[in-house]
Amino acid sequence: DTGVSQNPRHKITKRGQNVTFRCDPISEHNRLYWYRQTLGQGPEFLTYFQNEAQLEKSRLLSDRFSAERPKGSFSTLEIQRTEQGDSAMYLCASSAGTEAFFGQGTRLTVV
Amino acid sequence: AQTVTQSQPEMSVQEAETVTLSCTYDTSESDYYLFWYKQPPSRQMILVIRQEAYKQQNATENRFSVNFQKAAKSFSLKISDSQLGDAAMYFCAIPGGTSYGKLTFGQGTILTVHP
Repeated sequence: DTGVSQNPRHKITKRGQNVTFRCDPISEHNRLYWYRQTLGQGPEFLTYFQNEAQLEKSRLLSDRFSAERPKGSFSTLEIQRTEQGDSAMYLCASSAGTEAFFGQGTRLTVV
Repeated sequence: AQTVTQSQPEMSVQEAETVTLSCTYDTSESDYYLFWYKQPPSRQMILVIRQEAYKQQNATENRFSVNFQKAAKSFSLKISDSQLGDAAMYFCAIPGGTSYGKLTFGQGTILTVHP
């Protein structure tokens, strides 16, 4: 296990389309987090899971966003009816203790 | 709500010199961790150093050390003997309670290292 893996690395989509990103955490980590990062800014928390339960959602997570973590393993983040303002880097992190390990992110460009 | 402020959008340092990155924060928690993360260009974010608030001794990790001033809510990062590989965006962060991966990040400081 080499760390947190995110796919795809890059995604270009047309406005109004739906997109789905995948995150594979470090296998023994029970907590998984999603963040959004716009250019030149710090990441902003979106949501997190403990095992398969989604424990918290940020107000940034509009009703067009949904995240799942079936069976407490990988997670998906779906954005429906994408808007240009959704263009950002989407980061996934996992943890089992006090350190969060981040993936390389999925860069979304909405055109 | 927790807040983290990094007032230096950009810093630069000569190779082998020392640089200090500033961070101030606010939290209502009585015990908490503070973190510095490094994000190299097009690479994943990695933890540089962590400090537990109840520990008075400042954390050190090789060339990286912190100056933690709890009363002032200040948490600066000192990088000694700077190397070209230290060039990156650095983020100060504080977790929300005991969910250590639910982090509030500062705006970041871009560090440039000149040879």
